[in-house]
Amino acid sequence: AQSVTQLGSHVSVSEGALVLLRCNYSSSVPPYLFWYVQYPNKGLQLLLKYTSAATLVKGINGFEAEFKKSETSFHLTKPSAHMSDAAEYFCAVSHSGNTPLVFGKGTRLSVIA
Amino acid sequence: GAGVSQSPSNKVTEKGKDVELRCDPISGHTALYWYRQSLGQGLEFLIYFQGNSAPDKSGLPSDRFSAERTGGSVSTLTIQRTQQEDSAVYLCASSLRADQPQHFGDGTRLSIL
Repeated sequence: AQSVTQLGSHVSVSEGALVLLRCNYSSSVPPYLFWYVQYPNKGLQLLLKYTSAATLVKGINGFEAEFKKSETSFHLTKPSAHMSDAAEYFCAVSHSGNTPLVFGKGTRLSVIA
Repeated sequence: GAGVSQSPSNKVTEKGKDVELRCDPISGHTALYWYRQSLGQGLEFLIYFQGNSAPDKSGLPSDRFSAERTGGSVSTLTIQRTQQEDSAVYLCASSLRADQPQHFGDGTRLSIL
């Protein structure tokens, strides 16, 4: 069975500071990994995906994530936080890309001016 | 271009009533997914369609929940005899193929009084 653990239900950073949102996964097969962002009263928007190509994945809005098999991690980072980055972030896993997504509980990111 | 469209955006109904939630996927997307998002449970998979067939219904929480998809396009999620625990945001997603990233609608916020 697959699962995703997001460490920290709420992360707060200052504007311009590094953003680091943690995600660890459990999968019995090579995983497909995703990060989604959700703004209030909106659906989920895909930030980036890992599908067994390059381990460092670049996404939209300056975000990137690195797949580390040895640590079963797929942490999301952004060098400099903007106020507009404040939202809920979800890490998700599927196997072979053709099964439904299993989501983590989400991390709410707050950006302080 | 048009994204995934869900209607209604909000639905308030009395306990025991039946409700229908509609999802219009992105044109040409063959895979369609329903998820439920609630405070206590996070994001949960409900059902997956490939074309008009549903190879995976494993997430439907009870036999009060059903879904269909017609013409390989529009899908309807029906909840019969609604209960208060059914209150949640119901999200629909579609993808070009099952192995492609999922695109989400803004959801239907369902409130059971």
